[in-house]
Amino acid sequence: ELKVEQNPLFLSMQEGKNYTIYCNYSTTSDRLYWYRQDPGKSLESLFVLLSNGAVKQEGRLMASLDTKARLSTLHITAAVHDLSATYFCAVVNAGGTSYGKLTFGQGTILTVHP
Amino acid sequence: DGGITQSPKYLFRKEGQNVTLSCEQNLNHDAMYWYRQDPGQGLRLIYYSQIVNDFQKGDIAEGYSVSREKKESFPLTVTSAQKNPTAFYLCASSTQISDPNTEAFFGQGTRLTVV
Repeated sequence: ELKVEQNPLFLSMQEGKNYTIYCNYSTTSDRLYWYRQDPGKSLESLFVLLSNGAVKQEGRLMASLDTKARLSTLHITAAVHDLSATYFCAVVNAGGTSYGKLTFGQGTILTVHP
Repeated sequence: DGGITQSPKYLFRKEGQNVTLSCEQNLNHDAMYWYRQDPGQGLRLIYYSQIVNDFQKGDIAEGYSVSREKKESFPLTVTSAQKNPTAFYLCASSTQISDPNTEAFFGQGTRLTVV
């Protein structure tokens, strides 16, 4: 069974600081997504990582994927208040009886303070 | 505009009633998913479908049912057997994971409350 674990689950940051959210998963996959969710809202797609070594950047966020280590990171550079939200990673089962199943991590609640 | 439409946005259910949540997409996506989110929690998979006329149970399928008679539609029925249905329900769709440009998009959600 595919398990996806994020850490930390809660992250309180000062504006201007850097930090990294980690996403570990338990079975082979080369399809990983990062999403943002604001309170009471749906999920907004941030990044799609589709191969080992993939790196994508958008503004102050950068995501990477290491399929050998089964690890993805979401790095935040010089945090600003607008980045406060919950961030989820999700991994797709690439084989077996659960082919196509999309499993989410627990989410990381990010709060950026002045 | 292409996208995923969930309706209704808010739904109230009486004890013992079945209710159906609608999810329609015009993205020509093969795969569709239903998730449940409880306050302050992550997303738990209820059912998913990779192709028309086929679907699989997710991690919390008990008390729910789905159908996939058309590519663009994946309705979710919350039955009276689901004892604690109050939650935020999210529908998603994606291309097949074999697609090199695969991406999964979400609808705006349906907030179901038992009254």
